[in-house]
Amino acid sequence: SQQGEEDPQALSIQEGENATMNCSYKTSINNLQWYRQNSGRGLVHLILIRSNEREKHSGRLRVTLDTSKKSSSLLITASRAADTASYFCATDNGNNRLAFGKGNQVVVIP
Amino acid sequence: NAGVTQTPKFQVLKTGQSMTLQCAQDMNHEYMSWYRQDPGMGLRLIHYSVGAGITDQGEVPNGYNVSRSTTEDFPLRLLSAAPSQTSVYFCASSYSGFQNIQYFGAGTRLSVL
Repeated sequence: SQQGEEDPQALSIQEGENATMNCSYKTSINNLQWYRQNSGRGLVHLILIRSNEREKHSGRLRVTLDTSKKSSSLLITASRAADTASYFCATDNGNNRLAFGKGNQVVVIP
Repeated sequence: NAGVTQTPKFQVLKTGQSMTLQCAQDMNHEYMSWYRQDPGMGLRLIHYSVGAGITDQGEVPNGYNVSRSTTEDFPLRLLSAAPSQTSVYFCASSYSGFQNIQYFGAGTRLSVL
């Protein structure tokens, strides 16, 4: 069953602004991952955060994880038009499969 | 490396027809999975495999069969296509269960009339 639930579902921002997306899940996890999907393409892995980590950075991406609230957030700083995509969180609870959320659509206006 | 290759990219079927969606990876990954993506539903796992000869059902397995005779290939068979199977299908592979970072193919867009 799907665990990840992103919020908000759609986000429209101006280029240069920050974009924040949230994800909640229901059961314990080994790690949580974020993926990006450009229109008409497959998903691309962005960043992984382990259950014993609270924050992780990769370039303009910042991910936080709060296991007590079973939630994560993805922050994209200084957004660019090329960041326009759908963003999915996925949880790994060690059962050999990932559970994906429904996705956040982000539109960055030049 | 080509990564994960899916064929065909597009397919139109009539209700009741059968077909096989092909998936191949050249990264020597043990884990392979099939997902379907429908508007507003995110990705749902159909079947997955943790190695050659081993397959298991995911969240929505009905109407689909898989086999894994080699590490490289993981075909998905639609036995008797139904309009409810109209979707975009993605194949993914990962090195192992550890971390399970998945690499996705470009997808197959299937319409069943």
